[in-house]
Amino acid sequence: DAKTTQPTSMDCAEGRAANLPCNHSTISGNEYVYWYRQIHSQGPQYIIHGLKNNETNEMASLIITEDRKSSTLILPHATLRDTAVYYCIVVQAGSARQLTFGSGTQLTVLP
Amino acid sequence: DTEVTQTPKHLVMGMTNKKSLKCEQHMGHRAMYWYKQKAKKPPELMFVYSYEKLSINESVPSRFSPECPNSSLLNLHLHALQPEDSALYLCASSQEWGGGYGYTFGSGTRLTVV
Repeated sequence: DAKTTQPTSMDCAEGRAANLPCNHSTISGNEYVYWYRQIHSQGPQYIIHGLKNNETNEMASLIITEDRKSSTLILPHATLRDTAVYYCIVVQAGSARQLTFGSGTQLTVLP
Repeated sequence: DTEVTQTPKHLVMGMTNKKSLKCEQHMGHRAMYWYKQKAKKPPELMFVYSYEKLSINESVPSRFSPECPNSSLLNLHLHALQPEDSALYLCASSQEWGGGYGYTFGSGTRLTVV
């Protein structure tokens, strides 16, 4: 599975959009981009995933560049409850290796 | 029911004890997973079950023994653990294995080995 690179930490003001970048320059054509988050001492929570088109759900939007080498997770109106570690993960369809977590980005939403 | 339930939430055990962690889901998911997470580190995959059969063992020491008695249950039997095995143990499930499907995680069991 392709490796991902994320910033170690980011801050965001409450009520503003949080834009979390992820680089996956070695991604291949049948690999999905998944985003999960983990609030302190809880299990990871699925946020969104996509293959090549931009995706939106009730939690977030996922913007994938045309060459698929990077993506951005957007939380449109961040709240204090969005403070968490956010993981960008690339998963190959049919892969036996499942979710392999990288180091993630610690997002802190500031009041 | 859209949850993965793990019990117990906390467990303290001695190095000579035998204990078990339990994971349960009723979403009809056919793949189930055990992850281990040390403090300030990302979760690491330990085992994968697909259709109640062990598919992947990520070179986990034999003092950890997984079991999948039926499609809704996943156990992790612990024996002769070491203090460095203290961690958060996470269970997850997915509709099938492989990319394209979301994974649902439990809240984990926080294990302390004394």
